[in-house]
Amino acid sequence: NAGVTQTPKFQVLKTGQSMTLQCAQDMNHNSMYWYRQDPGMGLRLIYYSASEGTTDKGEVPNGYNVSRLNKREFSLRLESAAPSQTSVYFCASTYSADPYEQYFGPGTRLTVT
Amino acid sequence: QQPVQSPQAVILREGEDAVINCSSSKALYSVHWYRQKHGEAPVFLMILLKGGEQKGHEKISASFNEKKQQSSLYLTASQLSYSGTYFCGTEISGGFKTIFGAGTRLFVKA
Repeated sequence: NAGVTQTPKFQVLKTGQSMTLQCAQDMNHNSMYWYRQDPGMGLRLIYYSASEGTTDKGEVPNGYNVSRLNKREFSLRLESAAPSQTSVYFCASTYSADPYEQYFGPGTRLTVT
Repeated sequence: QQPVQSPQAVILREGEDAVINCSSSKALYSVHWYRQKHGEAPVFLMILLKGGEQKGHEKISASFNEKKQQSSLYLTASQLSYSGTYFCGTEISGGFKTIFGAGTRLFVKA
């Protein structure tokens, strides 16, 4: 039982490049989330998926797109990376809509130069 | 809309107690508490729900004042392992949008 896994762990991009961050969970959770964490700040919600087949914007969705590929996988895409998107990205999952603990992945550290 | 946490940082000696506060300007449905160690992912501590229900680890103590839209996390007899950054997250309505505060850095020294 791996929990929540994310790939890659580290990535350096040049401005304008695109990439997809992958996230998968093996806990049969219905809901999945993408957050970004900047130094000295809390977690900010980018997008979430309440259930398979649905996605919704969070606090800071601009510059990102997501895909809920199936119940296990939720990917985050940066179409044209900008230095402002340098951050640590965390994927999380939870069982249902009712307030439940979120399980976080190990994070992806992204630097855009 | 982001909840406000206080203090921003606190230093304790082993065995001392601490209280971390979280307040919101909006009526809250639930409050979540997480701890994050440097370079690691946040780890769940507790959820407090409107109406008094709590879900979390038995050794963690917290309160939720619905009228004041405030929550407090109580760390008693602190251990070195308590060191880290504590985040509160708030939900205005049941659902998925948990908004996190900026965090409280806790350092416990021997």
